[in-house]
Amino acid sequence: DTAVSQTPKYLVTQMGNDKSIKCEQNLGHDTMYWYKQDSKKFLKIMFSYNNKELIINETVPNRFSPKSPDKAHLNLHINSLELGDSAVYFCASSATGHTEAFFGQGTRLTVV
Amino acid sequence: AQTVTQSQPEMSVQEAETVTLSCTYDTSESDYYLFWYKQPPSRQMILVIRQEAYKQQNATENRFSVNFQKAAKSFSLKISDSQLGDAAMYFCAYLRGGNQFYFGTGTSLTVIP
Repeated sequence: DTAVSQTPKYLVTQMGNDKSIKCEQNLGHDTMYWYKQDSKKFLKIMFSYNNKELIINETVPNRFSPKSPDKAHLNLHINSLELGDSAVYFCASSATGHTEAFFGQGTRLTVV
Repeated sequence: AQTVTQSQPEMSVQEAETVTLSCTYDTSESDYYLFWYKQPPSRQMILVIRQEAYKQQNATENRFSVNFQKAAKSFSLKISDSQLGDAAMYFCAYLRGGNQFYFGTGTSLTVIP
């Protein structure tokens, strides 16, 4: 029973393509996140959604768009992929009220 | 802005010895939570330990303990009796407002057999 699952685990694609990464959590959490981890392992928050409303957007290019069909899902769409988008993308969720975030296993995106 | 600083990009420890990883943070809030996460080569992010800012007692989880100094805004992680499986990246994280997480840049821990 995976708490936070994201697919695919690996994604290799060419520059200019559009791709999506899916994320689902079965923990009943009300907040979901997307983080980008670069080659230096730095974790940068991209988005968070609370009750289907965007509450954080940390200067992410508008080629990136989160889509939340319901509280249990937060998908990440990326348009016109660039070489610099290559990274590991993590989905996470938490319950508002001071608990830890639970992470998915990450998606390694490689843009060639 | 909230920032989390981990000043040790890399650390090493002999197996069975003790190591301390440093973390400082910047905040004007009085109510917040702090965490240490471990990321092994499998890249899965695993919670190691959490600390509530309003609690003066330092959190402990088996071989892992923290030294929380609220006035100094310091939150170090001590790993006792280090094991080979402890080798990983360790991230310090700050949580404000219930759903705003901020991570440090990480410390890569090597355990020497």
